[in-house]
Amino acid sequence: EVQLLESGGNLVQPGGSLRLSCAASGFTFSNYAMSWVRRAPGKGLEWVSTISVSGRSTSYADSVKGRFTISRDISKNTLFLHMVNLRVEDTAIYYCAAYRPKEAFTYWGQGTLVSVSS
Amino acid sequence: LPVLTQPPSASALLGASIKLTCTLSSEHSAYTIEWYQQRPGRSPQYIMKLKSDGSHTKGDGIPDRFMGSSSGADRYLTLSNLQSDDEAEYHCGESHTIDGQVGWVFGEGTKLTVL
Repeated sequence: EVQLLESGGNLVQPGGSLRLSCAASGFTFSNYAMSWVRRAPGKGLEWVSTISVSGRSTSYADSVKGRFTISRDISKNTLFLHMVNLRVEDTAIYYCAAYRPKEAFTYWGQGTLVSVSS
Repeated sequence: LPVLTQPPSASALLGASIKLTCTLSSEHSAYTIEWYQQRPGRSPQYIMKLKSDGSHTKGDGIPDRFMGSSSGADRYLTLSNLQSDDEAEYHCGESHTIDGQVGWVFGEGTKLTVL
């Protein structure tokens, strides 16, 4: 059974930091590119960041560029998102999602909640 | 970047059909989009990838009563014989590569109520 299990979400003050993790199982992690997608309260989905199959290429939404860093550990089948200088508008449920290049997001995790508030 | 526009809400009776719309910005009218279903409190689920000619590729386990079609800049998801389980938010999204950088844009989603 395919599983993507996110963790690391928490309540943090503006300017704070968090590291999200996404543990993958049930599929060949090394064959899939990985992304983070978030959903803020009352809003639609927003793509956050993507890392390539090899891990050598990354991309970010303008709203998080310079503050968020995506990475992956193939040996541990785990995806990460390191977030610094968090803002109130980063409050959202963060989902990790897996896709094969040129395909859609096939697998999704259950999400982890990040709340940024003073 | 393309802009995807979706009406915020839609409703239909149990057993009826409904056509959900995702409209691409005019200069991106030939683009391929993806449809996702998100039931309340759940994560999104891939439904289909839909091209400008109406051809589409569904995800595993998506029933035949979910159909895709296209007309100009509009991309449609038609649900037939609506079930209570179809009550969900439906998101359209588009993937692109610019200067070697991949990215996605999504519409604001349509909340479907089954009466």
